Amino acid sequence: SQQGEEDPQALSIQEGENATMNCSYKTSINNLQWYRQNSGRGLVHLILIRSNEREKHSGRLRVTLDTSKKSSSLLITASRAADTASYFCATDATSGTYKYIFGTGTRLKVLA
Amino acid sequence: EAQVTQNPRYLITVTGKKLTVTCSQNMNHEYMSWYRQDPGLGLRQIYYSMNVEVTDKGDVPEGYKVSRKEKRNFPLILESPSPNQTSLYFCASRPLAGGPDEQYFGPGTRLTVT
Repeated sequence: SQQGEEDPQALSIQEGENATMNCSYKTSINNLQWYRQNSGRGLVHLILIRSNEREKHSGRLRVTLDTSKKSSSLLITASRAADTASYFCATDATSGTYKYIFGTGTRLKVLA
Repeated sequence: EAQVTQNPRYLITVTGKKLTVTCSQNMNHEYMSWYRQDPGLGLRQIYYSMNVEVTDKGDVPEGYKVSRKEKRNFPLILESPSPNQTSLYFCASRPLAGGPDEQYFGPGTRLTVT
């Protein structure tokens, strides 16, 4: 399987704390994206980082990318109860196909 | 409103009874894709389409068929559903096959095969 992996699988934190989740992938990529999913509903795009970028910010989100280690991290600062959701990374490979590979996801629970 | 729609949203069927899940997008996107989501496995790509009449296999294509006769529609066909195809299915689209664009997801179809 080409599927990426995320860790931790589940994370529980207090409101106001920071949440960090990591993603590893297997092939060379064009870009990496992070998505959010609220309990079995459709996914919502959060942020995209290109393969030639190392860090990107969007509001309370900070994404890093290390292509040498084939890994990325998503940091959510000052978390809120409304951030409770599952978070997935996704990559599209440079292999000449147009496949899209998702990670297995991190379930984040933010306690009020 | 720009959106991806799927129908039906919920479906319970029996083994072997052919079914089709429809997907439609109104954003003139070239790339469309189907995923299944199972607990602990995240989303796995079934098939994708780069444009009209151009489709290719994702990671888990066995037991599924697709067609792309019009740009806006990308139906998923299960010719002979089996219980291991019980899953949550998502359709998605993006503007181009390549390029730094996000995917837009439909609301999902929960399929149960008994």
